[in-house]
Amino acid sequence: GIQVEQSPPDLILQEGANSTLRCNFSDSVNNLQWFHQNPWGQLINLFYIPSGTKQNGRLSATTVATERYSSLYISSSQTTDSGVYFCAVGFNMEYGNKLVFGAGTILRVKS
Amino acid sequence: DVKVTQSSRYLVKRTGEKVFLECVQDMDHENMFWYRQDPGLGLRLIYFSYDVKMKEKGDIPEGYSVSREKKERFSLILESASTNQTSMYLCALGGWDTTEAFFGQGTRLTVV
Repeated sequence: GIQVEQSPPDLILQEGANSTLRCNFSDSVNNLQWFHQNPWGQLINLFYIPSGTKQNGRLSATTVATERYSSLYISSSQTTDSGVYFCAVGFNMEYGNKLVFGAGTILRVKS
Repeated sequence: DVKVTQSSRYLVKRTGEKVFLECVQDMDHENMFWYRQDPGLGLRLIYFSYDVKMKEKGDIPEGYSVSREKKERFSLILESASTNQTSMYLCALGGWDTTEAFFGQGTRLTVV
């Protein structure tokens, strides 16, 4: 089946630093989404980005579908950015349609 | 705002018990999903449903079943809970096609 790999698995930042999270996937997909899971477990959709670049405040995401990767860029990090970031890809299969998640990047931002 | 509500935030059950996890949505969405989340493994799909009374197995359906009698409610059932089913369970709407996925707040289940 399709493989979704995220890097790095863990990241520690000083408040104010910038970072880039990476997501690589092994096959053609319908869509790609980035999520942030807060310390209480709630998953929030950050970007729906099957291709191109989007920006939302200090966050931006770029997906290059032909090269099968996406990046999430966090600028001027804040302690509230801490949590787990997941990349997920959606695709059709003959026996069903699925959203497949990477293992996540754990981000800790220190003040 | 989309609302996906899971019945419990925290749950502790004994081995062998039958466990019901409920998920209710207010979006009139056809597609509903149950995932479990374990450290280092991300989210893995247990079961999904595209319509009332319709269900499909995901990647790890063993030991679980589901019920969707009404469009707004999707239930996950652990027929006989075991300690290896201790996990975080997340209900979601949509996401596989051209729509965003929306998640409930999660249920942390501990089986003792």
